[in-house]
Amino acid sequence: EVQLVETGGGLVQPGKSLKLTCATSGFTFSTAWMHWVRQSPEKRLEWIARIKDKSNNYATDYVESVKGRFTISRDDSKSSVYLQMNSLKEEDTATYYCTNNYGNYWGQGVMVTVSS
Amino acid sequence: DIQMTQSPASLSASLEEIVTITCQASQDIGNYLSWYQQKPGKSPQLLIHSATSLADGVPSRFSGSRSGTQYSLKINRLQVEDTGIYYCLQHYSAPLTFGSGTKLEIK
Repeated sequence: EVQLVETGGGLVQPGKSLKLTCATSGFTFSTAWMHWVRQSPEKRLEWIARIKDKSNNYATDYVESVKGRFTISRDDSKSSVYLQMNSLKEEDTATYYCTNNYGNYWGQGVMVTVSS
Repeated sequence: DIQMTQSPASLSASLEEIVTITCQASQDIGNYLSWYQQKPGKSPQLLIHSATSLADGVPSRFSGSRSGTQYSLKINRLQVEDTGIYYCLQHYSAPLTFGSGTKLEIK
């Protein structure tokens, strides 16, 4: 059974940092390109980052709104993908999902609330 | 960035009716288009990939089509369980972009 489990969310003040983890199982993680997607309270979906596999040099891409603040990374030995979020803003408040490249596997999502 | 213009924003239809949701891409994205359904409190579920291919386990009443840069999701014989929000996603180039969503309810 395929599982993706996101953890690390919570309430954080503006300007602070948070690191999300997506632990996976049940599929070949090492060759999977992985993504983070977030959903605002208004239900708008926004793709935010992608990391490719080793054969593609773990190349990363980001949406402009998080460039320089967020970093996606992975640990193939742990079948996990991470999202380090720095300098958080109130507009980063959302539910964060990890998903595979085909979009057929998604985690349950983790809430991040940025508020003073 | 590629813009995905999705319409309508909301839709109310009767059981057994046929409904169509469209996404217009701002440039050529080939068949790099997926459709998702999301139910309240749940993660998005893949319905259609590669513009026209049905994802595993998805009922055959769902279908996808393409005409140039316009993509459509068609639901035949609407069922109660089809309520939810539907999104398109282009994955032709980064940043990947979603449509704004279509909220579908049953009359």
